[in-house]
Amino acid sequence: NAGVTQTPKFQVLKTGQSMTLQCAQDMNHEYMSWYRQDPGMGLRLIHYSVGAGITDQGEVPNGYNVSRSTTEDFPLRLLSAAPSQTSVYFCASSPGPMNTEAFFGQGTRLTVV
Amino acid sequence: AQSVTQLGSHVSVSEGALVLLRCNYSSSVPPYLFWYVQYPNQGLQLLLKYTTGATLVKGINGFEAEFKKSETSFHLTKPSAHMSDAAEYFCAVRAMNRDDKIIFGKGTRLHILP
Repeated sequence: NAGVTQTPKFQVLKTGQSMTLQCAQDMNHEYMSWYRQDPGMGLRLIHYSVGAGITDQGEVPNGYNVSRSTTEDFPLRLLSAAPSQTSVYFCASSPGPMNTEAFFGQGTRLTVV
Repeated sequence: AQSVTQLGSHVSVSEGALVLLRCNYSSSVPPYLFWYVQYPNQGLQLLLKYTTGATLVKGINGFEAEFKKSETSFHLTKPSAHMSDAAEYFCAVRAMNRDDKIIFGKGTRLHILP
C-alpha cells in the first residue's frame, strides 16, 4: 500500500527556474494539502484542496500554484524559484473533514541556488 | 481561525524520566487536536488524536494526551522516556466544521539523555 507518494525526493533548482512537485495518493482521499517545513517555523500550509476541481490558499501561497484535476493527484508548481523557497515540502491527504487525521508523504527537499 | 503554540522548541529528558511536551491551542469553534511525530528525514506520523468524548487520549508508543478545554491545552506525556523517542513532535488543530485546514505548531525537538 503506497499511501501518499511524493516525487522527487531531492531537487536543486537555479533561481528563476520552474518546476512541479508531484503528489499522488491511492487512498481515495478527498482532502489534500501542501506544507513547507523550515527550521523553527514548523509546518506552514501552502495550498489545500477539499476535492477534485477545488483548491484554496493556505498561510503562505505566494510563488506557488496548484491544481486538482483528479482525486489522486495534487501537484505543486513553483513558477519562478527563489532562494526563499528552499525548504522541505510535504504533501498530505485525509479522508474527509471533521475528525480525520492527515497522512503524509516522505517529503521533497528543495534547494534553490 | 485556529492557532497552536508549543512551549519549548527543545526539551531534554533523561532516559526513564517523564516526558511532558506542552501544547496550547486557540480555536473559535470546538477543535480536533492531534500530535504527530517526525523522525529524522521522514514524514510525519500520527501519535494520537482527540475528537470528542474521553478527554484522555492514548496513542502509540506509550504516549497519551489530555484535552483540557478550560486551559485550552493538549499536553503530551509519556511516563518513561526511551532513547527511541528522540524526534520532533508537532501539535496540530483542526476546526470542527467544513474548513479543513490543519494548523501545526512550530514543533518541539525531544532529546533523550542516557
